[in-house]
Amino acid sequence: GENVEQHPSTLSVQEGDSAVIKCTYSDSASNYFPWYKQELGKRPQLIIDIRSNVGEKKDQRIAVTLNKTAKHFSLHITETQPEDSAVYFCAASGSGTYKYIFGTGTRLKVLA
Amino acid sequence: GAGVSQSPRYKVAKRGQDVALRCDPISGHVSLFWYQQALGQGPEFLTYFQNEAQLDKSGLPSDRFFAERPEGSVSTLKIQRTQQEDSAVYLCASSLSGGGTDTQYFGPGTRLTVL
Repeated sequence: GENVEQHPSTLSVQEGDSAVIKCTYSDSASNYFPWYKQELGKRPQLIIDIRSNVGEKKDQRIAVTLNKTAKHFSLHITETQPEDSAVYFCAASGSGTYKYIFGTGTRLKVLA
Repeated sequence: GAGVSQSPRYKVAKRGQDVALRCDPISGHVSLFWYQQALGQGPEFLTYFQNEAQLDKSGLPSDRFFAERPEGSVSTLKIQRTQQEDSAVYLCASSLSGGGTDTQYFGPGTRLTVL
């Protein structure tokens, strides 16, 4: 079945530095890739998403890139701030399905 | 507008007890999903409703798990004869139409602890 791998599992960066989280997916039919941020004890919140008809999408300090050939997609956070500290999940879905397949999460710590 | 809400937020059950977890989706959202999130893991799909129809229950771990959405809005996830391995956060999500490229909005979850 569909599988999504996410790396790294933990990431520590200094405030102001950039953070990159990478995911790979197995189902070539996947065409929608959301990213969620989950703070401790809170709900997953959508922070950015990308569809397969584009290769990159940016929203202020956050960007996502997609390489459909390699089945890779990545989250880039620039100028990190302490409030960016959270667990980030990537997911994959597609028009042939409805459920999300999630990665195992990345715990990001931004050190002040 | 109001987001997805879930109740209770925390539930402690003794092994063998039955529990019922409630989800109120965003008004007008056709599709509703239940996910199970174990500690330190990503959410895993349990079941999916489109309106009142349960179209996929392939992720339910056993026949002790049952979900319903009788009027196409509020949904209840019931776990019978709870076991320790059922301890997890149960997340509900809803989406406007339910296609695979539709954004799912999550509730805060119910943290179930089975003693």
